[in-house]
Amino acid sequence: EVQLVESGGDLVQPGGSLRLSCEASGFVFSRYWMSWIRQAPGKGLERVANIRQDGVESYYVDSVKGRFTISRDNTENSLYLQMNDLRAEDTAVYFCARRQLGAADTSDFWGQGTLVTVSS
Amino acid sequence: QSALTQPASVSGSPGQSITISCTGVTSDIGGYNYVSWYQQHPGKAPKLMIYDVSNRPSGVSNRFSGSKSGNTASLTISGLQAEDEADYYCGSYTSTSTLGVFGSGTKVTVL
Repeated sequence: EVQLVESGGDLVQPGGSLRLSCEASGFVFSRYWMSWIRQAPGKGLERVANIRQDGVESYYVDSVKGRFTISRDNTENSLYLQMNDLRAEDTAVYFCARRQLGAADTSDFWGQGTLVTVSS
Repeated sequence: QSALTQPASVSGSPGQSITISCTGVTSDIGGYNYVSWYQQHPGKAPKLMIYDVSNRPSGVSNRFSGSKSGNTASLTISGLQAEDEADYYCGSYTSTSTLGVFGSGTKVTVL
C-alpha cells in the first residue's frame, strides 16, 4: 500500500524557516518524480515544487523561488521542503504527492498534509 | 499561470447525473490529453479520480467519467450518491509551466 506521511508543519513567525518532511512507503520511491502541493485555507490547490527521480532537476512556482528548496533522499525514501523567509501568504496545508508514471503533472497518491501557519 | 476555470458549485439529487466543466486554453487542456480530476472531502487529501482525460485509476467507481472537447474538460458523476459530496479539482499539463495547473475547484452538493 502506497503511503506518504508528512511532518514538520508548525506555527512560525514571518521571516522564519521550516523544514517539511515526507516519508514514503509501499512503492519504489526512487522511480518517481515527487511534488509538494499546497492549499491555503479555503482555497484551491497549487503545486509548489517538483523534483526528478535522482534529485538533480527541480522546479518551483515563481512565488517561492529563492526561498524554498525541494530535496530528496532515496536511501531514506524521504522528500523534503526547506522553507526560508516565510510569509503570511505561505500559510497552507502542504501535501506531499507522487507523480504518476507516464502521466504528465498528474499526482496519483497524496499524503494527509501538514499545516504551516505563518503569523506573528 | 492562471487557474483553470470551474464552476464554484454544482448540485444534484441522489441518483441523478451531474457534470463539472473545466475550461482552459490551447496551451493546456486544448493542446494535450493530460487532464486529471481530484476529489477532496473536507479535511482530507485529494484523491485522483480521472487521469489522461478519461482513464480511471484502479478502485475508482465507474460512475465517474471524464471527457474533453476543445479547451474544456468535463467530469460526469452518474447515479449521484451522498458520499460524492466533496470538492472536485481538475488539473492539466501546460506548456507554459513545469508544474502543471489546477482548476479553481467545484463544490458538489447532494441535495
